[in-house]
Amino acid sequence: KAGVTQTPRYLIKTRGQQVTLSCSPISGHRSVSWYQQTPGQGLQFLFEYFSETQRNKGNFPGRFSGRQFSNSRSEMNVSTLELGDSALYLCASSFRLPYNEQFFGPGTRLTVL
Amino acid sequence: GDSVTQMEGPVTLSEEAFLTINCTYTATGYPSLFWYVQYPGEGLQLLLKATKADDKGSNKGFEATYRKETTSFHLEKGSVQVSDSAVYFCALSAGGQQGAQKLVFGQGTRLTINP
Repeated sequence: KAGVTQTPRYLIKTRGQQVTLSCSPISGHRSVSWYQQTPGQGLQFLFEYFSETQRNKGNFPGRFSGRQFSNSRSEMNVSTLELGDSALYLCASSFRLPYNEQFFGPGTRLTVL
Repeated sequence: GDSVTQMEGPVTLSEEAFLTINCTYTATGYPSLFWYVQYPGEGLQLLLKATKADDKGSNKGFEATYRKETTSFHLEKGSVQVSDSAVYFCALSAGGQQGAQKLVFGQGTRLTINP
């Protein structure tokens, strides 16, 4: 089975721009979660989508949003980028229940200048 | 809220040394516990898991036992190799009937093995 794929792998943007990241889950997985990884804050949960519905949301501002399509692929959008949004954004997919074992993609490295 | 605390790194060992990375957690309910590993430039890989008290997860020579009485999930390996050099994350997943589907991670422990 192919693993979780994320595109693009690297992005450079400037402050004020917006960005869209894409994630394709493992075939058959219907849950997709997003995490932000930074040296200072570590790994933080952004949100989770299941069957095209956001089921959980972390403590991030409304500039961070996402969606899931009927084929379970997910996109994450960040508007009005700030320098502090520079991070590795990780996507994970799972069957959701019962053990919440999540499989991660390689991540998208976002740099905001 | 739920939280995970890992021993501070970095940890540097010689090849074939014994490894322990401590992990304790705070959670409501009955969490599942995980160890993930991250190699340079890559995403996270699941190393092992345990889903209930006294379960032992194991993989590639690594082991961790779910200790409810001490709220711990320490990672151990009897003889480390240079290829084990990576960052290790302890994590929990907790929630109700619907499954929170949210991993809470420790801060990570960077492990370096010298030949």
